[in-house]
Amino acid sequence: DVKVTQSSRYLVKRTGEKVFLECVQDMDHENMFWYRQDPGLGLRLIYFSYDVKMKEKGDIPEGYSVSREKKERFSLILESASTNQTSMYLCASSPRTGGSRRFSYEQYFGPGTRLTVT
Amino acid sequence: AQKITQTQPGMFVQEKEAVTLDCTYDTSDPSYGLFWYKQPSSGEMIFLIYQGSYDQQNATEGRYSLNFQKARKSANLVISASQLGDSAMYFCAMREGDNQGGKLIFGQGTELSVKP
Repeated sequence: DVKVTQSSRYLVKRTGEKVFLECVQDMDHENMFWYRQDPGLGLRLIYFSYDVKMKEKGDIPEGYSVSREKKERFSLILESASTNQTSMYLCASSPRTGGSRRFSYEQYFGPGTRLTVT
Repeated sequence: AQKITQTQPGMFVQEKEAVTLDCTYDTSDPSYGLFWYKQPSSGEMIFLIYQGSYDQQNATEGRYSLNFQKARKSANLVISASQLGDSAMYFCAMREGDNQGGKLIFGQGTELSVKP
């Protein structure tokens, strides 16, 4: 079974703190993603990575950075947490898309981290 | 403009009845894939079903089927014989073209409640 794990299910941080959210997958997937989920807005892509040390901005990268030093691990960093970053954060991974199945690979998700910034 | 639109924020269905969750999409790419995910209250996202833009037949997976109407750009999820465990958020998503990294674009979600 594919397994994607996230370091915390619940996290409470203070405004201005540096926050690290860790994600680890055990299926040797090339692609990894960070989303935030807010009611009425669905999932919005923050950053993604298609290889070690590679990263691409998603739709809402402002206020976030990422790190991918190893294939299995993708970290999301909030340099200075703010209250508007209170949200559910979901990590996902998928195999490299290509060949005849290049559209059909689903993303496998972690359990999510509910972050509250006070 | 929204690429994926789910117009039903909340839906109710009686147990054992069928229900249709709407999804419309917008793309100019001839090659794309459409996905449905389920998110129970526990939070994990569960992949349900996939439809490719060139697939001739509508996708089915057990009680789930995808009513794919390409000309109308709709990809509605049909759940037959609803069960109490089907109560969850449901998200429609699209992968366009050969985008690097295989990004998905998600809709806003529909919250389904199954009544006993």
